Amino acid sequence: DGGITQSPKYLFRKEGQNVTLSCEQNLNHDAMYWYRQDPGQGLRLIYYSQIVNDFQKGDIAEGYSVSREKKESFPLTVTSAQKNPTAFYLCASSRDRDSYGYTFGSGTRLTVV
Amino acid sequence: LAKTTQPISMDSYEGQEVNITCSHNNIATNDYITWYQQFPSQGPRFIIQGYKTKVTNEVASLFIPADRKSSTLSLPRVSLSDTAVYYCLVEGAGNNRKLIWGLGTSLAVNP
Repeated sequence: DGGITQSPKYLFRKEGQNVTLSCEQNLNHDAMYWYRQDPGQGLRLIYYSQIVNDFQKGDIAEGYSVSREKKESFPLTVTSAQKNPTAFYLCASSRDRDSYGYTFGSGTRLTVV
Repeated sequence: LAKTTQPISMDSYEGQEVNITCSHNNIATNDYITWYQQFPSQGPRFIIQGYKTKVTNEVASLFIPADRKSSTLSLPRVSLSDTAVYYCLVEGAGNNRKLIWGLGTSLAVNP
């Protein structure tokens, strides 16, 4: 079955450490996205990539970094510069930059202690 | 500043029809309206998408008036399993991807 895989589902890190969240898709989609979700704040866009080797900042990119070396993969690194990293992180994809509608992964819950 | 506004919460009973309205006053000509359903600790799931008038699929209907400044998601005969958060999204395609999410409506379906 085609879909988006996010791993791990739960992640714990100590404050001051960088951590990388994985996102892999086998839908042959060109565009991929990272969202952050906090209680009562809906979905906020961190970064998106509409094609391999290209990505753009979303609304809350500070303290995060991404890469898009392969079409299937769009990892997100939460750096120590991110002030409030504890959150639920969602990865999504769409067919291309002109298509509407997303497929989401099941999310990674990151807790920084 | 473009905004998508929806009620924070709604209550219903099994078997009733539920209508959730989203306001998007600054919607642009090429924007589409999409609704998603999300259960706790899961990613949102696509429900329905539309541009104008009425769209219907096997789970929901979407009503969009002529001015497109609002949209209404209609869930017929809800069941307990429809208890979830429902998000309205106004999106435009292209290089500068436009994505304006509502904050979500938490729907509680009671027996």
